[in-house]
Amino acid sequence: KAGVTQTPRYLIKTRGQQVTLSCSPISGHRSVSWYQQTPGQGLQFLFEYFSETQRNKGNFPGRFSGRQFSNSRSEMNVSTLELGDSALYLCASNHGIGGRNTGELFFGEGSRLTVL
Amino acid sequence: KQEVTQIPAALSVPEGENLVLNCSFTDSAIYNLQWFRQDPGKGLTSLLLIQSSQREQTSGRLNASLDKSSGRSTLYIAASQPGDSATYLCAVAGNMLTFGGGTRLMVKP
Repeated sequence: KAGVTQTPRYLIKTRGQQVTLSCSPISGHRSVSWYQQTPGQGLQFLFEYFSETQRNKGNFPGRFSGRQFSNSRSEMNVSTLELGDSALYLCASNHGIGGRNTGELFFGEGSRLTVL
Repeated sequence: KQEVTQIPAALSVPEGENLVLNCSFTDSAIYNLQWFRQDPGKGLTSLLLIQSSQREQTSGRLNASLDKSSGRSTLYIAASQPGDSATYLCAVAGNMLTFGGGTRLMVKP
C-alpha cells in the first residue's frame, strides 16, 4: 500500500512569488492535514481537510490556503512569499472517521521550500 | 492552549542502554497521543499511538505509556541501537494537534 506522497520535494522561490504544494494521501484516507516545520518554531499545524471541507485551521495568516479534491488529494498554496516561509512543509493523512484528530497520522517526506 | 514539552532536548547514550523519553502536556482533554521518529531532512514515521482510554502501547523494543491525569507520556526504548538515532516527537491530539519540540537521540556504537 503506497504511503503519503508529496510533490515537489524541493523548491526554491523568491520573495513575493507564490507556491503550490501537492499531497496524495494513503488510499482510502479522507483526511489530509498540513504542517510547517522550522528550526525555530518546530512543527506547527496549518489546516486539515476532510471530504473536501476544511475541518480545522491553525494560526497562520491568510496567505496560507489549501484545498482538497474529490479523490482526497490536497494542495496548499502560499502567496506573496516571505523569507520566513522557508520551511519543511509536511502533509499527513488518516482515515478521518470519528472526528478530527482521532486517528493515527501517516506523514509524507515533506516539501522543502527555500525563499530567497 | 495546549502546550507540549519534551525532556530532554538531546540525549546521547552508548549502544545497548535502555532509555526513557518524556513528554508532558498541559490540557488533559485529549483524544490520543502519538509518538513519531524523524530522521534528518525526512518526514515523520509513526511509532505508537495511544488512545486516551489506554494506558500503554508496545511495539517491539518500544513501549509508550500515557497518564492523562498527570499530563505525561513516556517512550521507553529497550536495548538501544545506533539505528535508533533520530529525533523523537510526541504529538497530542485534542482540538488541535500539538507537537512537542522533540528529543534528539544519539546512540553510540
